[in-house]
Amino acid sequence: KAGVTQTPRYLIKTRGQQVTLSCSPISGHRSVSWYQQTPGQGLQFLFEYFSETQRNKGNFPGRFSGRQFSNSRSEMNVSTLELGDSALYLCASSRQGRGTDTQYFGPGTRLTVL
Amino acid sequence: GQNIDQPTEMTATEGAIVQINCTYQTSGFNGLFWYQQHAGEAPTFLSYNVLDGLEEKGRFSSFLSRSKGYSYLLLKELQMKDSASYLCAALDSNYQLIWGAGTKLIIKP
Repeated sequence: KAGVTQTPRYLIKTRGQQVTLSCSPISGHRSVSWYQQTPGQGLQFLFEYFSETQRNKGNFPGRFSGRQFSNSRSEMNVSTLELGDSALYLCASSRQGRGTDTQYFGPGTRLTVL
Repeated sequence: GQNIDQPTEMTATEGAIVQINCTYQTSGFNGLFWYQQHAGEAPTFLSYNVLDGLEEKGRFSSFLSRSKGYSYLLLKELQMKDSASYLCAALDSNYQLIWGAGTKLIIKP
């Protein structure tokens, strides 16, 4: 069974640009969550999508948005990039995304903003 | 506010035992997860505890005390491949995961 895949793995952008990251969940998983990981901060929850609907949202500005397609693949978009957006962006999939469902993480996209 | 505390870094010797502690303060509680993350890789699931007590899985064990808001991950017979970050995450009343910053475990020969 293929794992969670994320593309691209690495990105370098400049301030003010926008970026789109993609996540393909494990087959049969309908929930996709996005996290930002920075050294010393741990994983910060961005949002969760289930059946094409945003079901939960963390405390990030509106520059961070996402969507989910009918095949459960998800994209995350960050507009007007800031230096502080440099981080590892992880997505995780689970069957239902509720409670005790184990989350399976992708390898992440490392975004560097110059 | 909601908070998870775990040590930033720990060092242990190959073959030894190490205990990584995690304390949590959350709005409600629906369980605690431990994940392992090797450098440059995705976090992988290790354990989930919702009831008090110790759960053992091979060389790894996880303990939970709900009354104390405390958990630990116990790693026995340490191997070099156990060098990684260990992430603690608590599930709050809304079933949202609150993550700690992770503990970097360094294993020395």
